[in-house]
Amino acid sequence: NAGVTQTPKFRILKIGQSMTLQCTQDMNHNYMYWYRQDPGMGLKLIYYSVGAGITDKGEVPNGYNVSRSTTEDFPLRLELAAPSQTSVYFCASSPRNSYYEQYFGPGTRLTVT
Amino acid sequence: DQQVKQNSPSLSVQEGRISILNCDYTNSMFDYFLWYKKYPAEGPTFLISISSIKDKNEDGRFTVFLNKSAKHLSLHIVPSQPGDSAVYFCAARPNYGQNFVFGPGTRLSVLP
Repeated sequence: NAGVTQTPKFRILKIGQSMTLQCTQDMNHNYMYWYRQDPGMGLKLIYYSVGAGITDKGEVPNGYNVSRSTTEDFPLRLELAAPSQTSVYFCASSPRNSYYEQYFGPGTRLTVT
Repeated sequence: DQQVKQNSPSLSVQEGRISILNCDYTNSMFDYFLWYKKYPAEGPTFLISISSIKDKNEDGRFTVFLNKSAKHLSLHIVPSQPGDSAVYFCAARPNYGQNFVFGPGTRLSVLP
């Protein structure tokens, strides 16, 4: 039982490049989330999903896209990377009957230069 | 516009003593509050939660108190242990969705 896994762990992007951050959970959780954490700040919600095929915007969705074709996977797509997207990205999941108790992955540290 | 505030960036406590971490919020629509602990280079780990219909929840060494009229909650750790040294995040969920809002965190150092 690996929990929530994220790849890659680190990535450096040039301005204007695109990439996909991968997130997979093996706990059969319905809810999945993407957060970003900037230095000295709390986590900010980018997108979330309450089940396969259903996604919704969080607090800071601009510049990102998500999809949820399976229960297990919730990839985050960055189009046209900008320096403002330099951050640590965390994926999380939670079960339907305890949706407030989120299980986080180890994070992806992204630098855009 | 921070809806969840943790005004102490850091806190140092002696091992065996009580640690008190504070959190204030502004949105009266929050109905669920959580505390997470985070070690360096790891994702946050859920610690304890409290519903807005309660004023106290206890789990072992950890107790969360909620004062709705003051829009304030606190996490008490008794007794504090060196392994408790981490960043603690307060988070809140509004009753209209899944938009969890996190505070900026408080770094707790428990000194042996």
